[in-house]
Amino acid sequence: GQNIDQPTEMTATEGAIVQINCTYQTSGFNGLFWYQQHAGEAPTFLSYNVLDGLEEKGRFSSFLSRSKGYSYLLLKELQMKDSASYLCAAVTGGFKTIFGAGTRLFVKA
Amino acid sequence: DSGVTQTPKHLITATGQRVTLRCSPRSGDLSVYWYQQSLDQGLQFLIQYYNGEERAKGNILERFSAQQFPDLHSELNLSSLELGDSALYFCASSATATPGQGSYGYTFGSGTRLTVV
Repeated sequence: GQNIDQPTEMTATEGAIVQINCTYQTSGFNGLFWYQQHAGEAPTFLSYNVLDGLEEKGRFSSFLSRSKGYSYLLLKELQMKDSASYLCAAVTGGFKTIFGAGTRLFVKA
Repeated sequence: DSGVTQTPKHLITATGQRVTLRCSPRSGDLSVYWYQQSLDQGLQFLIQYYNGEERAKGNILERFSAQQFPDLHSELNLSSLELGDSALYFCASSATATPGQGSYGYTFGSGTRLTVV
């Protein structure tokens, strides 16, 4: 079957660094997305990894290991506005995108 | 404004009824995707259209159907509605047929919140 696992909730302090992990099992693999979703709003695109390694984009970085079926999203210099759900999504061999249930991040002062 | 327009924003209807959700993709995008998001659940992929043709199908119920018109807008039809169909329905669009191609993600609309009573 196809499965994406990520923690349900995480809490971190303003100004700190947090790492949100994601493991996936899919029939074939064609890349991994990370999206941010504030409550009641549409998801917004953060990053896309297709090759192994780290992609850095400002305060956000995303890492992929295809051999381990593993990715993480790293958020630095946390701000209160980063409180949101972070969705990991894998593109399967059939080019369907399977989303995880999301990790709800709470940033506290 | 993401450029993807979904109407209506809210819909309340009774069990057994039929509704139509509408989506206009971002200008220039040829692919339209439909997702369902229930409370505390992830986004469930329903179906994708590319330039008028069905491209990929997810866990879409037989009571649900969709189409993409020549002007590229799409409609999702939900019939014989049940209480469990209450959810946020998102439409997303992308320029390409293949997710991730060009390293761009989808652009999501603001969703239609469907409540079945």
